Amino acid sequence: AQSVTQPDIHITVSEGASLELRCNYSYGATPYLFWYVQSPGQGLQLLLKYFSGDTLVQGIKGFEAEFKRSQSSFNLRKPSVHWSDAAEYFCAVSQAGTALIFGKGTTLSVSS
Amino acid sequence: DAGVIQSPRHEVTEMGQEVTLRCKPISGHNSLFWYRQTMMRGLELLIYFNNNVPIDDSGMPEDRFSAKMPNASFSTLKIQPSEPRDSAVYFCASRGLDGNQPQHFGDGTRLSIL
Repeated sequence: AQSVTQPDIHITVSEGASLELRCNYSYGATPYLFWYVQSPGQGLQLLLKYFSGDTLVQGIKGFEAEFKRSQSSFNLRKPSVHWSDAAEYFCAVSQAGTALIFGKGTTLSVSS
Repeated sequence: DAGVIQSPRHEVTEMGQEVTLRCKPISGHNSLFWYRQTMMRGLELLIYFNNNVPIDDSGMPEDRFSAKMPNASFSTLKIQPSEPRDSAVYFCASRGLDGNQPQHFGDGTRLSIL
């Protein structure tokens, strides 16, 4: 069955430190991969997406993610976290034209 | 450009009542998705439409739930009768028909059934 796993439910990072959020997927075909961010009481905002080509993709707000087919992973990274990055982050997969399958999310807290 | 617009933002009602959630997709988008978010189950697809036609409704919990898309600019999700376990945040998302386009989400409707 198709699934997305985000192993970390909650992560706390110091402001200015680097961040990596993990995402593993199980999918029969080559998936389309996404990271979304959700602030409290808000909808989901797209951070970045991977469809094909360069396996390192750049997104908004200084985020990047790397697709590793051999590890079925699509981890999200940021070199220096800001307090405003505190939110919930969702990894998702789909095929062309289909609905998204989401992971359970990782809540990021930023300490000063 | 206006994003996906959902109404109401919040709804509190008593069990047994009919609830109607509304969504206006981004103009020009021809795929529309309804998702439900709960603490226990996370984000789950309920149903999605392409060109106003339901494509996959396998996520609709039961017959109490129904969704329509009468035209390209409007969709409704109806629950009748509502139950406390339907309490959740319901999101609508839209996307261009090109499968390479990402989905854009509304701010959601927070539904509480007492």
